[in-house]
Amino acid sequence: EVQLVESGGGLVQPGGSLRLSCAASGFTFISYSLNWVRQAPGKGLEWLSYISPSSSSIYYADSVKGRFTISRDNAKNSVYLQMNSLRDEDTAVYYCARGEGDIVVLVAAIRGNWFDSWGQGTLVTVSS
Amino acid sequence: EIVMTQSPATLSVSPGERATLSCGASQSVSSYLAWYQQKPGQAPRLLIYGASTRATGIPARFSGGGSETEFTLTISSLQSEDFAVYYCQQYNKWPQTFGQGTKVEIK
Repeated sequence: EVQLVESGGGLVQPGGSLRLSCAASGFTFISYSLNWVRQAPGKGLEWLSYISPSSSSIYYADSVKGRFTISRDNAKNSVYLQMNSLRDEDTAVYYCARGEGDIVVLVAAIRGNWFDSWGQGTLVTVSS
Repeated sequence: EIVMTQSPATLSVSPGERATLSCGASQSVSSYLAWYQQKPGQAPRLLIYGASTRATGIPARFSGGGSETEFTLTISSLQSEDFAVYYCQQYNKWPQTFGQGTKVEIK
């Protein structure tokens, strides 16, 4: 059974930093891309970041580019999201999602992916 | 960025009735379109990818259609467990983007 378990959420002050982790099990981790998606309270879904299986291709939404960094450790079956310079509007549930259907040519993913498995999410609250 | 627009925002349907949800893209996404279902307090669940391919374990009452800029998700006969929020997502171009969601509620 595919499992994705996020951790690392919590309360942080504006301007602060937080590192989210997502531990994966039940599938061959190195064969899949991973994504982070968030959902602000009472709002819709927002894709944030993508990382290809070998980490050769990484993409970010404009809303987090330059502030958030995605990474993965294939030896530990984990993906991470380092979040810096946090703002009030970053308050949300953050989901880790496994990607399917992307195509990586050389070092670039020429297309995105659909999300076939999701974690339960971890809540990040940015407030003073 | 490709903007995804879903309609209606809320759809009131009686159990057993048919529901048709729409999703429009601001530019062509070919067939690179997915649909998700989300219930309160739960993570989203993949229903459809490639505009019309049902994900593993998804009942046949869910069907997807369309291409380029106009897409639909049809639930042929609504069951009690189908009342939820539905999102479309394009993955043809970066950044991947979601629609704002359609809430299917009990009439």
